[in-house]
Amino acid sequence: DTAVSQTPKYLVTQMGNDKSIKCEQNLGHDTMYWYKQDSKKFLKIMFSYNNKELIINETVPNRFSPKSPDKAHLNLHINSLELGDSAVYFCASSQGTGRTFFGQGTRLTVV
Amino acid sequence: TQLLEQSPQFLSIQEGENLTVYCNSSSVFSSLQWYRQEPGEGPVLLVTVVTGGEVKKLKRLTFQFGDARKDSSLHITAAQPGDTGLYLCAGRNRDDKIIFGKGTRLHILP
Repeated sequence: DTAVSQTPKYLVTQMGNDKSIKCEQNLGHDTMYWYKQDSKKFLKIMFSYNNKELIINETVPNRFSPKSPDKAHLNLHINSLELGDSAVYFCASSQGTGRTFFGQGTRLTVV
Repeated sequence: TQLLEQSPQFLSIQEGENLTVYCNSSSVFSSLQWYRQEPGEGPVLLVTVVTGGEVKKLKRLTFQFGDARKDSSLHITAAQPGDTGLYLCAGRNRDDKIIFGKGTRLHILP
C-alpha cells in the first residue's frame, strides 16, 4: 500500500494548458505539502496545508492553486502552463513536524 | 533567505572507499534530516538529528549534527554500489519550514 500516492506520474502538455496533479495520503497525517524539484535536483517547498488550511505559501505564481478537499488529499492545479513549469512535483505528508513521507513525484513537461 | 550548502555536488568513487558529504548553513536549525533519492522516486528519510553534537549511525552511514546546529555531515564507510543516489540534507528552521540543500549526487563505481 502506497503511503503517499500522486497521479499522474508523467504529464506532457502544451504551453497555455491547465492541468491538475492529484495527491492522496493514507497515513492519517494532518499536514500535506507540495514541493518542486528542478532539473538541477533542487527541492523547494511550494505549499503546506495543515488540516485543510494553507499554512505555507512560498513565492509561487498564482497560476498554481492548491486545493485540499479533506485532510487526506491535496491537489495542485496549474493554469496557463509555461515552459519554466517543467519539473518534478512531489507531494508529501507528515504528522505535525514529524517524519515527512514523499510521493513518487509527477514529472511535468511543458512543450 | 536561509540556505543550506551541500558539498560536494558530485562525487564518484570506487567501491570500498570512504567519503564524507557536508551540509552547511549560517543559520541555526531546530533539526536536520538527511534523505536519499533514487531516480524516478521521491526522497526517503535516512535520519533526523536534533541535538547539537549528536551522532547517529545507520550501518555504514554516520551522521553528525554540528555543535551549533548549523551544519551536518554524512560519512559513508566502505561505500558500495547500492549507496549510489542523490543525498539531500534538509533543515527545519524557527518558522517550522523545511529548507533543502541542493543535493550531492553520489556514484559508487564497482
